[in-house]
Amino acid sequence: SQKIEQNSEALNIQEGKTATLTCNYTNYSPAYLQWYRQDPGRGPVFLLLIRENEKEKRKERLKVTFDTTLKQSLFHITASQPADSATYLCALDHTGGFKTIFGAGTRLFVKA
Amino acid sequence: NAGVTQTPKFRVLKTGQSMTLLCAQDMNHEYMYWYRQDPGMGLRLIHYSVGEGTTAKGEVPDGYNVSRLKKQNFLLGLESAAPSQTSVYFCASSPPGELFFGEGSRLTVL
Repeated sequence: SQKIEQNSEALNIQEGKTATLTCNYTNYSPAYLQWYRQDPGRGPVFLLLIRENEKEKRKERLKVTFDTTLKQSLFHITASQPADSATYLCALDHTGGFKTIFGAGTRLFVKA
Repeated sequence: NAGVTQTPKFRVLKTGQSMTLLCAQDMNHEYMYWYRQDPGMGLRLIHYSVGEGTTAKGEVPDGYNVSRLKKQNFLLGLESAAPSQTSVYFCASSPPGELFFGEGSRLTVL
């Protein structure tokens, strides 16, 4: 069956450290993968999109990698801040981009 | 620029009642989606639309109907609400690619 798996346990890190979140998928062949941030009581907000032919993408303190052989994406936040505390969702397209399917998300807590 | 607007934001229904959630987007996006989000289960796709007049089933379509009569609007209907439909519902639109979400509609079915 098709699955998108993100670590269900919350990630707790110290301010200034790098947070690394993992997204694994099975039985999909996505053309691209996306990461979103969701704060409590709010809708998800788009962060980054990486295509299947891209290995890495960066935006300010954010970095995403995409390994289609391992079927895995890693999401890094460098120099993390308490304001980065949120739930981060991985999403990938299915059926040629018509449907976007989400993982359950990983909760990140950054301590000052 | 409002983006994606969902109405109502909160609603309480009794089992068997019907209701419609309205989603409106002002970005001229082709694709629109309805998701539900439950604790520990993430966002699950209910129905989606790739253009005006078209709709398709997502992962969990049972008990819901949708319509996209105008490009900017995507309606989600519950004909006979059940307690299992208690959830937070999110609408999103897309160019396609990146999704733009509304703030959610919290529905409780008693």
